Amino acid sequence: QVQLVQSAAEVKKPGSSVKVSCKASGGTLKSYSFSWVRQAPGQGLEWMGRIIPITATTNYAQMFQGRVTMTADKSTNTVYVELFSLTSQDTAMYFCASAALQDGNTYDSWGQGTLVTVSS
Amino acid sequence: DIVMTQSPVSLPVTPGEPASISCRSSQSLLHSNGNNYLDWYLQKPGQSPQLLISLASSRASGVPDRFSGSGSGTDFTLTISRVEAEDIGIYYCMQALQTPLTFGGGTKVEIK
Repeated sequence: QVQLVQSAAEVKKPGSSVKVSCKASGGTLKSYSFSWVRQAPGQGLEWMGRIIPITATTNYAQMFQGRVTMTADKSTNTVYVELFSLTSQDTAMYFCASAALQDGNTYDSWGQGTLVTVSS
Repeated sequence: DIVMTQSPVSLPVTPGEPASISCRSSQSLLHSNGNNYLDWYLQKPGQSPQLLISLASSRASGVPDRFSGSGSGTDFTLTISRVEAEDIGIYYCMQALQTPLTFGGGTKVEIK
């Protein structure tokens, strides 16, 4: 089980983009898949997509297609999510979560969350 | 997409008493390998979600045995045999069968 540490909170203007990082320790990226899940204030959990670093495979939720990019840097054991064309509706806590490849889509480790606030 | 529906939305509980949460999926989560790809997560106040149950009934490492999961196909239940004060939070079911992964709307468990 890896430990995940995310980047600090961000405040962004509408129309801009944000890039959130998630650094894994206690394991290498090649053994895991990583999902990004967001939670708007007072709302439930929403899956954004996932990346499997060993194959560089990404799957994105349809509502984010064309507006999100997930990447992995094996040299720093870090995964990233970048969201473009931000609106106030993107104000949320963003979580990364990891799943061992043999465990499919079961996420047993989560980052602490990164709050992204979109405001003019 | 698979739609996940949880009930109830809110669950007031008395410490020491049992509690159960229902989760229903719009499609069967039973894979041909015999596993049901349904996970349960708990999000305690101010914290990240944590895995409680995977594959419908397998407790995650370190999860107390008062938590149990059951069900198959499209109907699942999370049961807490004797609720403790530390169990308060929002419980989510999530289908892990296929992308897009989808969560139930959550059940908020609070002490009466």
